[in-house]
Amino acid sequence: EIVLTQSPATLSLSPGERATLSCRASQSVSSYLAWYQQKPGQSPRLLIYDALNRATGIPARFSGSGSGTDFTLTISSLEPEDFAVYYCQQCNNWPGTFGQGTKVEIK
Amino acid sequence: QVQLQESGPGLVKPSETLSLTCTVSGGSISSYYWSWIRQPPGKGLEWIGYIYYSGSTNYNPSLKSRVTISVDTAKNQFALKLRSVTAADTAVYFCARGLPYPHYYSFDVWGKGTTVTVSS
Repeated sequence: EIVLTQSPATLSLSPGERATLSCRASQSVSSYLAWYQQKPGQSPRLLIYDALNRATGIPARFSGSGSGTDFTLTISSLEPEDFAVYYCQQCNNWPGTFGQGTKVEIK
Repeated sequence: QVQLQESGPGLVKPSETLSLTCTVSGGSISSYYWSWIRQPPGKGLEWIGYIYYSGSTNYNPSLKSRVTISVDTAKNQFALKLRSVTAADTAVYFCARGLPYPHYYSFDVWGKGTTVTVSS
């Protein structure tokens, strides 16, 4: 089973700042990586699929990059509604697995 | 737009079977992959398995011996059965739709989730 390690565990930033979240896979997942946002008491929301494609309706301030084992989710300028937990997920190998999450909190 | 709604008992006794249904509204269940994902309290996400509308399935090996996912296209529903539950199966259970193939592993529509507690 592929293990996804997300860093940092918590990111403390102010609105307007740039957020850079990392996801590292224990072996190559090619480009089969997605990013989700989850707010308390809500279901996850798909942001990025296939490492760099924004899902429908996702603002351009969210971008994904990487391939193989190292991936990045960048939020170019944090809006108040962006403070949440972010998960990466791979499905190059079954079973698809999720990272443990990065919490983006208000500084 | 497509909406998903989970339904089923919120409390299940140890050793019994957890049964949940996901109803798809606002669109057809056809031509998509449908998944169950769970999230234990305060923890991350675990993909339980998926079913294609035609009935083909794939289950997480960690749960495979206890899981069955089925589909009822006439009712626009799919269902989860998890047998011999323990406290470790206590979680919020989500149903979700995968993007069109080959991106089926990315879930673009989610239900709100239903909390299932395993306790006597």
